[in-house]
Amino acid sequence: EPEVTQTPSHQVTQMGQEVILRCVPISNHLYFYWYRQILGQKVEFLVSFYNNEISEKSEIFDDQFSVERPDGSNFTLKIRSTKLEDSAMYFCASSNPGTKAGELFFGEGSRLTVL
Amino acid sequence: AQRVTQPEKLLSVFKGAPVELKCNYSYSGSPELFWYVQYSRQRLQLLLRHISRESIKGFTADLNKGETSFHLKKPFAQEEDSAMYYCALNPGSGNEKLTFGTGTRLTIIP
Repeated sequence: EPEVTQTPSHQVTQMGQEVILRCVPISNHLYFYWYRQILGQKVEFLVSFYNNEISEKSEIFDDQFSVERPDGSNFTLKIRSTKLEDSAMYFCASSNPGTKAGELFFGEGSRLTVL
Repeated sequence: AQRVTQPEKLLSVFKGAPVELKCNYSYSGSPELFWYVQYSRQRLQLLLRHISRESIKGFTADLNKGETSFHLKKPFAQEEDSAMYYCALNPGSGNEKLTFGTGTRLTIIP
């Protein structure tokens, strides 16, 4: 069964450094998402991406964040200058509403630790 | 703005006993409601959605618009039901953006 894959599984970085989290969505899916979960808190929506552009973003997704689909298979989340409060588990997800509306397929997550 | 509330962070139930995981939501329109589950060391995955009115792994959930609730129920708990359960809301705008509750960790006691 196809799965969403994410790399790295864990990244430790210094405050102020740039981080890129990578995701390979399921190949025939059209919508792509990033969510994050700060330890002990709920899963929060960051951004959705469709047709090579952001379709919706939350207030968390400020100018420090960007997303890209550079080569038709990868979907990346970049944090330009990390802050301590960016430490969280970041989940990538993809969906194809034409088949089962509302079903997002999640990756296993990338744990980001900012020191 | 939409909100999903799961009042119980932890819930322990004996094997064979009924399970009910509570979920309440606030949204002015007609949302779509979902239950997602995360088993130990596995990824978050869809369990069921209200529009399907289906039973998955013995679980059902009925959308009660009057009480703005979408409680998850199972008549007889099994050990393999131990997991983290998240209620989620989609405003139905055509985008699959989900608002999650804080989750309930269900532990089934053998």
